[in-house]
Amino acid sequence: DGGITQSPKYLFRKEGQNVTLSCEQNLNHDAMYWYRQDPGQGLRLIYYSQIVNDFQKGDIAEGYSVSREKKESFPLTVTSAQKNPTAFYLCASSASGANVLTFGAGSRLTVL
Amino acid sequence: GQQVMQIPQYQHVQEGEDFTTYCNSSTTLSNIQWYKQRPGGHPVFLIQLVKSGEVKKQKRLTFQFGEAKKNSSLHITATQTTDVGTYFCATLTNDYKLSFGAGTTVTVRA
Repeated sequence: DGGITQSPKYLFRKEGQNVTLSCEQNLNHDAMYWYRQDPGQGLRLIYYSQIVNDFQKGDIAEGYSVSREKKESFPLTVTSAQKNPTAFYLCASSASGANVLTFGAGSRLTVL
Repeated sequence: GQQVMQIPQYQHVQEGEDFTTYCNSSTTLSNIQWYKQRPGGHPVFLIQLVKSGEVKKQKRLTFQFGEAKKNSSLHITATQTTDVGTYFCATLTNDYKLSFGAGTTVTVRA
Protein backbone atom coordinates (compact mmCIF):
# COMPACT_ATOMS: atom_id res chain seq x y z
CA ASP A 1 0.00 0.00 0.00
CA GLY A 2 1.17 3.53 -0.73
CA GLY A 3 1.79 5.84 2.16
CA ILE A 4 4.17 7.92 4.22
CA THR A 5 6.61 6.39 6.66
CA GLN A 6 8.07 8.45 9.48
CA SER A 7 10.84 7.27 11.76
CA PRO A 8 11.56 7.05 14.56
CA LYS A 9 8.14 7.08 16.21
CA TYR A 10 9.62 8.21 19.51
CA LEU A 11 12.91 10.00 20.02
CA PHE A 12 14.65 11.36 23.08
CA ARG A 13 17.39 13.95 22.80
CA LYS A 14 19.68 15.74 25.16
CA GLU A 15 19.89 19.50 24.97
CA GLY A 16 22.48 20.69 22.48
CA GLN A 17 22.14 17.70 20.15
CA ASN A 18 20.89 17.76 16.60
CA VAL A 19 18.42 15.07 15.56
CA THR A 20 17.13 14.06 12.15
CA LEU A 21 13.59 12.80 11.56
CA SER A 22 13.02 10.64 8.51
CA CYS A 23 10.08 10.93 6.12
CA GLU A 24 9.68 8.63 3.10
CA GLN A 25 6.69 8.44 0.75
CA ASN A 26 5.84 6.02 -2.06
CA LEU A 27 2.80 7.92 -3.31
CA ASN A 28 4.74 9.58 -6.13
CA HIS A 29 3.73 12.96 -4.70
CA ASP A 30 5.69 16.01 -5.74
CA ALA A 31 5.09 18.15 -2.65
CA MET A 32 6.14 17.32 0.90
CA TYR A 33 5.65 19.18 4.16
CA TRP A 34 6.75 19.19 7.78
CA TYR A 35 4.35 20.34 10.51
CA ARG A 36 4.83 20.72 14.22
CA GLN A 37 1.96 20.00 16.59
CA ASP A 38 1.75 21.31 20.14
CA PRO A 39 -1.29 20.92 22.43
CA GLY A 40 -3.92 23.56 21.72
CA GLN A 41 -2.02 25.10 18.81
CA GLY A 42 -3.00 22.98 15.87
CA LEU A 43 -0.50 22.33 13.11
CA ARG A 44 2.21 24.83 12.27
CA LEU A 45 4.19 24.60 9.04
CA ILE A 46 7.96 24.28 9.40
CA TYR A 47 9.20 23.69 5.83
CA TYR A 48 7.73 22.55 2.56
CA SER A 49 9.03 21.39 -0.79
CA GLN A 50 7.14 21.51 -4.07
CA ILE A 51 9.85 19.81 -6.12
CA VAL A 52 13.14 17.96 -5.73
CA ASN A 53 16.13 20.14 -4.79
CA ASP A 54 13.88 23.03 -3.76
CA PHE A 55 12.23 23.91 -0.46
CA GLN A 56 10.76 26.94 1.30
CA LYS A 57 10.47 28.08 4.89
CA GLY A 58 7.12 27.83 6.58
CA ASP A 59 5.86 29.83 9.54
CA ILE A 60 8.28 28.43 12.16
CA ALA A 61 11.47 27.45 10.30
CA GLU A 62 13.97 28.83 12.82
CA GLY A 63 16.07 26.07 14.36
CA TYR A 64 15.16 23.52 11.69
CA SER A 65 16.71 22.43 8.39
CA VAL A 66 15.59 20.14 5.56
CA SER A 67 16.83 18.65 2.33
CA ARG A 68 15.03 17.26 -0.71
CA GLU A 69 17.56 15.27 -2.72
CA LYS A 70 15.04 12.62 -3.78
CA LYS A 71 11.36 12.85 -4.58
CA GLU A 72 10.55 10.17 -2.03
CA SER A 73 12.46 11.63 0.91
CA PHE A 74 12.21 14.84 2.96
CA PRO A 75 14.23 14.55 6.20
CA LEU A 76 13.93 17.18 8.92
CA THR A 77 16.82 18.10 11.21
CA VAL A 78 15.99 19.68 14.54
CA THR A 79 19.09 21.64 15.48
CA SER A 80 20.35 22.75 18.85
CA ALA A 81 19.23 26.27 17.87
CA GLN A 82 15.59 25.25 18.27
CA LYS A 83 14.76 26.51 21.76
CA ASN A 84 11.70 24.41 22.46
CA PRO A 85 11.96 21.27 20.32
CA THR A 86 9.76 18.92 22.36
CA ALA A 87 6.73 18.32 20.12
CA PHE A 88 4.92 15.95 17.78
CA TYR A 89 6.27 16.25 14.22
CA LEU A 90 4.12 15.34 11.24
CA CYS A 91 5.28 14.84 7.68
CA ALA A 92 2.78 15.13 4.83
CA SER A 93 2.68 15.00 1.05
CA SER A 94 0.36 16.04 -1.74
CA ALA A 95 0.07 15.38 -5.44
CA SER A 96 1.10 18.03 -7.95
CA GLY A 97 -1.72 20.52 -8.54
CA ALA A 98 -3.65 19.27 -5.53
CA ASN A 99 -3.64 20.53 -1.98
CA VAL A 100 -5.10 17.62 -0.03
CA LEU A 101 -2.52 16.31 2.41
CA THR A 102 -1.70 12.73 3.31
CA PHE A 103 0.03 12.54 6.68
CA GLY A 104 2.50 10.11 8.15
CA ALA A 105 2.02 8.63 11.63
CA GLY A 106 4.30 11.25 13.21
CA SER A 107 7.44 11.37 15.31
CA ARG A 108 7.32 12.44 18.94
CA LEU A 109 10.49 14.19 20.05
CA THR A 110 11.27 14.76 23.70
CA VAL A 111 14.23 16.81 24.85
CA LEU A 112 15.57 15.77 28.22
CA GLY B 1 0.10 32.28 10.97
CA GLN B 2 -3.41 31.01 11.42
CA GLN B 3 -5.97 32.39 9.01
CA VAL B 4 -8.85 30.45 10.48
CA MET B 5 -10.20 30.33 14.03
CA GLN B 6 -12.03 27.30 15.33
CA ILE B 7 -14.65 27.31 18.06
CA PRO B 8 -15.14 25.75 20.46
CA GLN B 9 -11.69 24.47 21.40
CA TYR B 10 -13.28 21.60 23.34
CA GLN B 11 -16.63 19.93 22.84
CA HIS B 12 -17.99 17.42 25.37
CA VAL B 13 -20.98 15.58 23.94
CA GLN B 14 -23.42 13.02 25.30
CA GLU B 15 -23.56 9.97 23.07
CA GLY B 16 -26.51 10.26 20.73
CA GLU B 17 -26.63 14.06 20.76
CA ASP B 18 -25.81 16.42 17.91
CA PHE B 19 -23.18 19.14 17.89
CA THR B 20 -21.62 21.71 15.58
CA THR B 21 -18.10 23.06 15.39
CA TYR B 22 -17.19 26.23 13.53
CA CYS B 23 -14.30 27.57 11.49
CA ASN B 24 -14.19 31.34 10.97
CA SER B 25 -12.05 33.80 9.04
CA SER B 26 -11.95 37.58 8.67
CA THR B 27 -11.03 37.21 5.00
CA THR B 28 -12.60 35.42 2.06
CA LEU B 29 -11.29 31.90 1.72
CA SER B 30 -10.52 30.06 -1.51
CA ASN B 31 -11.43 26.73 0.01
CA ILE B 32 -11.89 24.88 3.28
CA GLN B 33 -10.68 21.43 4.14
CA TRP B 34 -11.57 19.37 7.19
CA TYR B 35 -9.34 16.76 8.81
CA LYS B 36 -9.89 14.40 11.74
CA GLN B 37 -7.18 13.26 14.12
CA ARG B 38 -7.98 10.38 16.46
CA PRO B 39 -6.25 10.36 19.86
CA GLY B 40 -2.65 9.25 19.36
CA GLY B 41 -3.06 9.31 15.58
CA HIS B 42 -2.41 11.58 12.66
CA PRO B 43 -4.75 13.91 10.74
CA VAL B 44 -6.83 12.27 8.04
CA PHE B 45 -8.51 14.23 5.26
CA LEU B 46 -12.32 14.28 5.43
CA ILE B 47 -13.60 16.76 2.85
CA GLN B 48 -12.91 19.86 0.80
CA LEU B 49 -15.39 22.68 0.13
CA VAL B 50 -14.82 25.20 -2.63
CA LYS B 51 -18.10 26.82 -3.65
CA SER B 52 -20.04 29.49 -1.80
CA GLY B 53 -22.86 27.91 0.21
CA GLU B 54 -21.65 24.40 -0.57
CA VAL B 55 -22.99 21.59 1.60
CA LYS B 56 -21.56 18.07 1.63
CA LYS B 57 -22.57 15.08 3.71
CA GLN B 58 -20.68 12.01 4.83
CA LYS B 59 -23.05 9.72 6.72
CA ARG B 60 -23.71 11.56 10.02
CA LEU B 61 -21.33 14.44 9.19
CA THR B 62 -22.54 17.56 7.37
CA PHE B 63 -20.04 20.13 6.15
CA GLN B 64 -21.03 23.61 5.06
CA PHE B 65 -19.18 26.54 3.46
CA GLY B 66 -20.68 29.94 4.16
CA GLU B 67 -22.24 32.10 1.48
CA ALA B 68 -19.53 34.74 1.96
CA LYS B 69 -16.80 32.04 2.04
CA LYS B 70 -15.59 33.34 5.39
CA ASN B 71 -16.76 30.50 7.58
CA SER B 72 -17.47 26.80 7.61
CA SER B 73 -19.18 24.38 9.93
CA LEU B 74 -19.12 20.68 10.71
CA HIS B 75 -22.31 19.23 12.17
CA ILE B 76 -22.38 15.70 13.59
CA THR B 77 -25.69 14.03 14.31
CA ALA B 78 -26.25 11.21 16.80
CA THR B 79 -22.70 11.35 18.12
CA GLN B 80 -20.96 8.02 18.60
CA THR B 81 -17.80 7.08 20.50
CA THR B 82 -16.07 6.67 17.16
CA ASP B 83 -16.43 10.45 16.65
CA VAL B 84 -13.88 11.13 19.41
CA GLY B 85 -10.87 13.11 18.22
CA THR B 86 -9.74 16.54 17.09
CA TYR B 87 -11.30 18.11 14.02
CA PHE B 88 -9.21 20.63 12.12
CA CYS B 89 -10.22 23.00 9.39
CA ALA B 90 -7.58 24.26 6.98
CA THR B 91 -7.44 26.71 4.13
CA LEU B 92 -5.13 27.32 1.21
CA THR B 93 -3.13 30.54 1.59
CA ASN B 94 -2.08 32.91 -1.21
CA ASP B 95 1.28 31.13 -1.45
CA TYR B 96 -0.36 27.74 -1.82
CA LYS B 97 0.27 26.47 1.68
CA LEU B 98 -2.34 24.91 3.92
CA SER B 99 -2.98 26.89 7.11
CA PHE B 100 -4.65 24.95 9.90
CA GLY B 101 -6.92 26.09 12.68
CA ALA B 102 -6.20 25.09 16.28
CA GLY B 103 -8.81 22.35 16.17
CA THR B 104 -11.88 21.30 18.15
CA THR B 105 -11.25 18.35 20.47
CA VAL B 106 -14.35 16.20 20.89
CA THR B 107 -14.98 13.84 23.79
CA VAL B 108 -18.07 11.65 24.09
CA ARG B 109 -19.87 10.58 27.27
CA ALA B 110 -21.35 7.13 26.89
